[in-house]
Amino acid sequence: QKEVEQDPGPLSVPEGAIVSLNCTYSNSAFQYFMWYRQYSRKGPELLMYTYSSGNKEDGRFTAQVDKSSKYISLFIRDSQPSDSATYLCAMSAYSRNNAGNMLTFGGGTRLMVKP
Amino acid sequence: EAGVAQSPRYKIIEKRQSVAFWCNPISGHATLYWYQQILGQGPKLLIQFQNNGVVDDSQLPKDRFSAERLKGVDSTLKIQPAKLEDSAVYLCASSPPGTPIYFGEGSWLTVV
Repeated sequence: QKEVEQDPGPLSVPEGAIVSLNCTYSNSAFQYFMWYRQYSRKGPELLMYTYSSGNKEDGRFTAQVDKSSKYISLFIRDSQPSDSATYLCAMSAYSRNNAGNMLTFGGGTRLMVKP
Repeated sequence: EAGVAQSPRYKIIEKRQSVAFWCNPISGHATLYWYQQILGQGPKLLIQFQNNGVVDDSQLPKDRFSAERLKGVDSTLKIQPAKLEDSAVYLCASSPPGTPIYFGEGSWLTVV
């Protein structure tokens, strides 16, 4: 079993839909949770960064963390064709010396928003 | 603020040849990472530097891969000899103390 599981998709939605992307994980030490967006032939771009449980909102994006269920989500409201990309979840455990930022990534979900 | 710079962006080589990738991190970021991303998968850490010291290279195939970080700034990742399964994008990333990390555009390698 992988440490971080993510449905690879592809997920196809019409423009304007609400998109829900999810990851589950097994390591209870994870405390930092990130979502990256990766366009084709580009490097991953940080979208959202949260610490511990709860919600964080940034424009059309909302990140949600449920540590009790080991489950994180990214919601995209009013989805646009420009949101079409692969979305990667990533997480890491606390590191006392701040050098152990090693992230564990999900495999990515490919999202297609159709006009 | 300038992002993480990587070169070359694309490289095609024959198996058993060698290749080197270069990375310049965001100014002031002490931690530098090299990740390998195979098509359809998430990035996998190859090596992590803190300044010019190696923090973790447990997943670096040391028989063919090597990396160094010159004077705690730029870094070079080398593959010699390359195998077909090394075809992937090699992502450099950097971060200040603590997460998150910021990626470059990647160096896309095709081994034929």
